[in-house]
Amino acid sequence: GQSLEQPSEVTAVEGAIVQINCTYQTSGFYGLSWYQQHDGGAPTFLSYNALDGLEETGRFSSFLSRSDSYGYLLLQELQMKDSASYFCAVRDRAPWGSARQLTFGSGTQLTVLP
Amino acid sequence: NAGVTQTPKFQVLKTGQSMTLQCAQDMNHEYMSWYRQDPGMGLRLIHYSVGAGITDQGEVPNGYNVSRSTTEDFPLRLLSAAPSQTSVYFCASSQAQGLGYEQYFGPGTRLTVT
Repeated sequence: GQSLEQPSEVTAVEGAIVQINCTYQTSGFYGLSWYQQHDGGAPTFLSYNALDGLEETGRFSSFLSRSDSYGYLLLQELQMKDSASYFCAVRDRAPWGSARQLTFGSGTQLTVLP
Repeated sequence: NAGVTQTPKFQVLKTGQSMTLQCAQDMNHEYMSWYRQDPGMGLRLIHYSVGAGITDQGEVPNGYNVSRSTTEDFPLRLLSAAPSQTSVYFCASSQAQGLGYEQYFGPGTRLTVT
């Protein structure tokens, strides 16, 4: 079946660097995405990795190792506004249908302290 | 450009009632989907559509129906509401279900079934 594992909570201080890991087990893997969700808000797209390596977008970077079924989101120069939930999601071929789907992890609640 | 809009924002239903959650997008996206999010959990796919007239089931389709008569609209119908359907419902759209396409989420509908 499909499963994603990520830590439930991470705490860091303003200005620090934090890494949120995601391991996955799935079939027909196509790529790993990351989404941010503030309390009461909608998820917003952060990044997508289809190939091994690091993708950088401003203060955020995302890494993928397909051979290890592992990825991470790296947040640098943390700001208070980065306090949110972060979800990894795999794009794969779901068992209930033939189309490619996004399957989400349970999310990591990041708390940034002053 | 309004993006993805959802109505209503909040809804309270009694067990056994039916209702339709509305979703519309103005980005001419082919792919639309409905997710539900329960407290402390990720998003689970209910139904999705790869274009007008084409819909399919996701991970948790029971108790829900969808239709896609136009590219813009993708309503979700609850046939006979149950307390287990208390959740936050998000509609999302993307250019295609292919690799790396960012999904744009609506603001969500918070549904309580008593």
